[in-house]
Order: sequence, then C-alpha cells, then structure tokens
Amino acid sequence: ETGVTQTPRHLVMGMTNKKSLKCEQHLGHNAMYWYKQSAKKPLELMFVYSLEERVENNSVPSRFSPECPNSSHLFLHLHTLQPEDSALYLCASSQEVGRTTNEKLFFGSGTQLSVL
Amino acid sequence: QQQVKQSPQSLIVQKGGISIINCAYENTAFDYFPWYQQFPGKGPALLIAIRPDVSEKKEGRFTISFNKSAKQFSLHIMDSQPGDSATYFCAASKNSGYSTLTFGKGTMLLVSP
Repeated sequence: ETGVTQTPRHLVMGMTNKKSLKCEQHLGHNAMYWYKQSAKKPLELMFVYSLEERVENNSVPSRFSPECPNSSHLFLHLHTLQPEDSALYLCASSQEVGRTTNEKLFFGSGTQLSVL
Repeated sequence: QQQVKQSPQSLIVQKGGISIINCAYENTAFDYFPWYQQFPGKGPALLIAIRPDVSEKKEGRFTISFNKSAKQFSLHIMDSQPGDSATYFCAASKNSGYSTLTFGKGTMLLVSP
C-alpha cells in the first residue's frame, strides 16, 4: 500500500445529491492533492493544499469543494454534479521542503465516481 | 494546450522485447521529468525520474533517455515482462515548492507471454 487511503472506492450519485470523498495519508506529508482521471485524458490537477492552505485551484467548478482540516486528511465535497464529472478521483500526497520541490507523489487508489 | 504529449497511446510487446514510450514537452521551464506506472484499480506510482542535467538514467530494466535540445524524453523497458503490463504516464514540472506535475495522456502497455 502507498500510505494514502481513499474512501469510498466506488460512488454512484444523482445530479441532485451531495456526497463527500475522503482521503487520509499516513506518511507524515505536508502537501495533499486532488486529481481527476478521465479516460484518454491526462490526469488533471484540481486542488493543492500545502501546509493545510489551498495553494492551487485549477479553474475547478464550484460544485467541487475541497477541505483540508489537517495535514493528514483531505475531503472533496460534491454537489449538483453533472454526468461529465464521472471519473476516477485520485488523492495524492508529498513532502515539500521549503522551496525545494520533492516531486514524488504518493497516490491513493482513487474513488470511481459515476454521476447519473 | 497540451503541454506534455505522449505516444503511442497503446503498445503491445512480446515478452523479452523492448518497450519504448516517448514524450515531448513545450515549457522550457520544466526541470523534472518523472514516469508513473498505474495498474488497474490502483493509483499511479512513481517509477523513475530524471532532471535535465543528465541525458540518461537507468534503474534496473527501466531507462529514461532525455534530449534537452529536442525537448523530448522517453522510457525504455528492457526485457519486458507480462508483469510490466500497465498504463505509463510521463510528466513534467518546474520547481515551485509543491508538486505541479503536468501529465501526458498515458500509454497502455501489454506484454504478451
């Protein structure tokens, strides 16, 4: 295992539902990420939290709302999603040291989301 | 605009053969080039990475070749094995204090027995 745990593994939701994805890392890292993986498309970086502060928000629609209560936990709150939001949502973590980038990302196994 | 272009989209190689996956990038500020390997039902995992101060890096059967002037880099898998069957992603980033990897679209590799 990578030390990054995501729940649930699978989620089916209607367009009017509200749900949350959870990620927990057991590696002592100080940066956490949400990525979206769709078929035949590059992994898309959605959000970055470094030292529990959001530092990146790559033009993600407001129907996706991240939360990072501490350095070990990351949530992605979902509401009024569209069918095109169906994808694998991956959480990752890394250890950043000052301005020196330690690029190794540790990914969880993802949540496969289907929006009906 | 796709900043990292990866090819081929899929690849079938005989066991024992050499698998080659290519990537090209556009942003000359990129200074870190990793390859990630993803098995079905799992997240990507770092396989090998290179920085532009060297032209080649080898780890076991996996080698990255890097051509800075051409803005290209490639992954070579020597003596390919069925257990290497996975999706491979190249990526690139510039130093920013936290990861800002830009990924290619991925190559699905199948190594036939």
